[in-house]
Amino acid sequence: AQSVSQHNHHVILSEAASLELGCNYSYGGTVNLFWYVQYPGQHLQLLLKYFSGDPLVKGIKGFEAEFIKSKFSFNLRKPSVQWSDTAEYFCAVKAAGNKLTFGGGTRVLVKP
Amino acid sequence: DAGVIQSPRHEVTEMGQEVTLRCKPISGHNSLFWYRQTMMRGLELLIYFNNNVPIDDSGMPEDRFSAKMPNASFSTLKIQPSEPRDSAVYFCASSTRQLLGSYNEQFFGPGTRLTVL
Repeated sequence: AQSVSQHNHHVILSEAASLELGCNYSYGGTVNLFWYVQYPGQHLQLLLKYFSGDPLVKGIKGFEAEFIKSKFSFNLRKPSVQWSDTAEYFCAVKAAGNKLTFGGGTRVLVKP
Repeated sequence: DAGVIQSPRHEVTEMGQEVTLRCKPISGHNSLFWYRQTMMRGLELLIYFNNNVPIDDSGMPEDRFSAKMPNASFSTLKIQPSEPRDSAVYFCASSTRQLLGSYNEQFFGPGTRLTVL
């Protein structure tokens, strides 16, 4: 069964700082990869997804992620965060069987 | 489109009572997923349906939990009897399934926050 690991449980940074959240998965076959964001008190929303093609994926709100197949990684980045990026971020992997497996989430707090 | 609709948004009940959570997927979506989110266990897939048929219910914690999808526009998740450890946020999500069998991204509803006293 596939698993997804998000290395950082909590990240605290100041506005304008750069953000990178790690995500690694364990599955040797073809995968679809997602990053979801959950703002305080809200539901999960899709930030970006990778199905195939260019491994550097651009998402909404200035986020991007890079799929590195050899490292089984799909790290999320944003060059300059804003206070409104305070949220919990979930990496998710869809492999065989069509089940979406989520990582444990990373809570990001951006200090104004 | 209104997105995935869940009701109620909040539910507070006493241990032993029956709880029914409801979900209306996005029109045209043929796959529906029920998740549970807790601080301790994160986001867990409970069950999912394709074309109203349950495909994988291995995530359903125990027999007290049951889910149905009587038609393409409605699903329920029932807990009977409820216990305090069932307290969580329950999310419903829907997606479309492509012809070759893969799925597009899932769209999540606002969730139902369940508190069992």
